[in-house]
Amino acid sequence: NAGVTQTPKFRVLKTGQSMTLLCAQDMNHEYMYWYRQDPGMGLRLIHYSVGEGTTAKGEVPDGYNVSRLKKQNFLLGLESAAPSQTSVYFCASSYVGASNSPLHFGNGTRLTVT
Amino acid sequence: QQPVQSPQAVILREGEDAVINCSSSKALYSVHWYRQKHGEAPVFLMILLKGGEQKGHEKISASFNEKKQQSSLYLTASQLSYSGTYFCGTEYKLSFGAGTTVTVRA
Repeated sequence: NAGVTQTPKFRVLKTGQSMTLLCAQDMNHEYMYWYRQDPGMGLRLIHYSVGEGTTAKGEVPDGYNVSRLKKQNFLLGLESAAPSQTSVYFCASSYVGASNSPLHFGNGTRLTVT
Repeated sequence: QQPVQSPQAVILREGEDAVINCSSSKALYSVHWYRQKHGEAPVFLMILLKGGEQKGHEKISASFNEKKQQSSLYLTASQLSYSGTYFCGTEYKLSFGAGTTVTVRA
């Protein structure tokens, strides 16, 4: 039982390049989330999904897109990376909505955009 | 709106106590507490759902006030393993506070 797995762990991009971060969970959770974490700002929600085939915007969605084609996977895409997107990205999942259910986090992806 | 945490940082000696506060301008349905060690993922500590609720986990406990706008996390008789950054999270826009960094020294 791996929990929440994120790939890759590290990535360096040049400005304007694109990439996709993959999040996979094996806990049969309905809800999945993408957060970014910047020094002094805590965790900010980018996008989330309440079930397979659904996505919704969070607090800081600009510059990112997501897809949830399968229940166990939640992909985060950057179409044209910018230095402001340098951050640590965390994926999380929960059995039901976050109001009642703890979030299980992956180990994060450290992205640097030069 | 992001919940407000205080203090930003606290330094303790082993065995000392600390309190971390989390405040919201709106009444909340629930509040979560997580701990994150350097370079690792946040780990769930506890969730509080009811006004006036108190919950404990070993020597770490938390409370949720009656108006459900403030929660406090209590670190009692701190151990070296308690070091890390503590975050409160709320269901309101799934937002987290900026975190409180706790350093416990021998």
